[in-house]
Amino acid sequence: DAMVIQNPRYQVTQFGKPVTLSCSQTLNHNVMYWYQQKSSQAPKLLFHYYDKDFNNEADTPDNFQSRRPNTSFCFLDIRSPGLGDAAMYLCATSREKLFFGSGTQLSVL
Amino acid sequence: AQKVTQAQTEISVVEKEDVTLDCVYETRDTTYYLFWYKQPPSGELVFLIRRNSFDEQNEISGRYSWNFQKSTSSFNFTITASQVVDSAVYFCALETSGSRLTFGEGTQLTVNP
Repeated sequence: DAMVIQNPRYQVTQFGKPVTLSCSQTLNHNVMYWYQQKSSQAPKLLFHYYDKDFNNEADTPDNFQSRRPNTSFCFLDIRSPGLGDAAMYLCATSREKLFFGSGTQLSVL
Repeated sequence: AQKVTQAQTEISVVEKEDVTLDCVYETRDTTYYLFWYKQPPSGELVFLIRRNSFDEQNEISGRYSWNFQKSTSSFNFTITASQVVDSAVYFCALETSGSRLTFGEGTQLTVNP
């Protein structure tokens, strides 16, 4: 059974149209992460939460925001997606190791 | 600053060959964790192993084995008798204080029948 669930698996949006990606976990882990992975590259950390404490990576664009309304759910909001934001977005939780979801592949037209 | 280097961008082998994926890391922390993850074409990152900096024992799990050498800051991964299903991108990663994981650039392994 999936423990970190990301919806949708594929998301298509238009240039400049806000989009929200969702992540839920059944593991009750305190820490949740959002990673961006572009084609043939390593995953790049965007944010992480320790409980409700939000930690933004220094080079994460302002265009990206995140919400964590409770332990189980976390959202990634892209306010005005550009073509360069097309990527796989991976959510993960952590206890001794990272448990990843299957990712959301975002396309920007 | 933390850094993970996987010098091999792509490796191609024939089924049943042994293959070693190299990983070299840099950190000033004395306590850290090293990981290997597998990313098949489906995209999900699959955990393979976690090793802390104080445990230099090599580990074997089935056809997989890992060689951790602090003296050379390396954490290499060997697949014995490779199979087509081993084809994937393999990432080495380093976790230091603050629960931040730094990934290497990955090695694309292709196992041909």
